[in-house]
Amino acid sequence: GAGVSQTPSNKVTEKGKYVELRCDPISGHTALYWYRQSLGQGPEFLIYFQGTGAADDSGLPNDRFFAVRPEGSVSTLKIQRTERGDSAVYLCASSLTEDEQFFGPGTRLTVL
Amino acid sequence: KQEVTQIPAALSVPEGENLVLNCSFTDSAIYNLQWFRQDPGKGLTSLLLIQSSQREQTSGRLNASLDKSSGRSTLYIAASQPGDSATYLCAVIDYTHSNYQLIWGAGTKLIIKP
Repeated sequence: GAGVSQTPSNKVTEKGKYVELRCDPISGHTALYWYRQSLGQGPEFLIYFQGTGAADDSGLPNDRFFAVRPEGSVSTLKIQRTERGDSAVYLCASSLTEDEQFFGPGTRLTVL
Repeated sequence: KQEVTQIPAALSVPEGENLVLNCSFTDSAIYNLQWFRQDPGKGLTSLLLIQSSQREQTSGRLNASLDKSSGRSTLYIAASQPGDSATYLCAVIDYTHSNYQLIWGAGTKLIIKP
């Protein structure tokens, strides 16, 4: 079956612009996670959805970051007033149980 | 706060050698530990998942061990091949976070020389 997909694969934007990153989880997976991976580091947790609601957004770095999952499937990570420090690979994962998360290929965001 | 450390940060070995990658974590109250592979520009591939009650898992030439009490895991790769070149990440899920988020090490970049 289809895995987790993320679009776009690459996004280049200018400082101060708004961006949206999309994640399509595996069908039927109720849990969805967003992580951010800076160059040379491991991923860091951003936000967790269980169904439609953001069950834990404690990893979002500031209020420029927001994510939604209105129908409990597709999720969009939104970044306002982008800064150069936001440049990273944004990873999405979905899971059916607490045991294992399945990852998408990521979106590489570059803020010039 | 759980911290995951991977040593070494980079490793280069000739093809055919057996090698060990190390992962340590500060809080032994983990739910499970996973090893992932990451190729440049690509996503994460799960290699092995070890539940907290298990001591090791094996898949082909890979063997991962877990010593929860000492906060350590090792990934053993037998008879390394150039195709094994990638970054290897370990991650834990612990009981501090009810959302089962993964807490990651920074990875070991492995280069296998033909």
